[in-house]
Amino acid sequence: KAGVTQTPRYLIKTRGQQVTLSCSPISGHRSVSWYQQTPGQGLQFLFEYFSETQRNKGNFPGRFSGRQFSNSRSEMNVSTLELGDSALYLCASSSGQGWSEQFFGPGTRLTVL
Amino acid sequence: SQELEQSPQSLIVQEGKNLTINCTSSKTLYGLYWYKQKYGEGLIFLMMLQKGGEEKSHEKITAKLDEKKQQSSLHITASQPSHAGIYLCGADIGGTYKYIFGTGTRLKVLA
Repeated sequence: KAGVTQTPRYLIKTRGQQVTLSCSPISGHRSVSWYQQTPGQGLQFLFEYFSETQRNKGNFPGRFSGRQFSNSRSEMNVSTLELGDSALYLCASSSGQGWSEQFFGPGTRLTVL
Repeated sequence: SQELEQSPQSLIVQEGKNLTINCTSSKTLYGLYWYKQKYGEGLIFLMMLQKGGEEKSHEKITAKLDEKKQQSSLHITASQPSHAGIYLCGADIGGTYKYIFGTGTRLKVLA
């Protein structure tokens, strides 16, 4: 079974630009969660999508948005990039039914200059 | 303050030694995950605990969730250099699929 894939793996942007990150979950998984990881704040929950609906949201500004497609693939968008958005963005997939294991992708490292 | 506290923040042990990492919450944990992360990479799932008093083992790693479901410990027996990395606990403390993570414990094993 293929694991969770994230594209691109590395990205360099400048302040004010916008960026879209992609996550393909494990086949059959309907839940995709997004996280931001920084040295200062650690791993922080952004949002979770289940069957194309945002089921939960963390405490991030509206510049961070996401969506999920009918094939469960998910995208995350960050608009008007700030220097502080530089981070490792991780997505995780799970069946989403009750308590289930979350499997993480390798992450996308975003650098904002 | 951090909702999930991990201790210690970092640990350096000699190969072959045992070690324990703790994860503590002030609220009831609906489920607790342990992950391992190599620097700058994704998280590798180790174990998931749900029931108070539950204990699971995989190879030389054992994790327990206490009866009150507010603390978990991860124990590594006879550590090896391959155990080095960052260990993170993650949990749902609201039963709402909103997961939080501890700050991590950085483990170095000296050969």
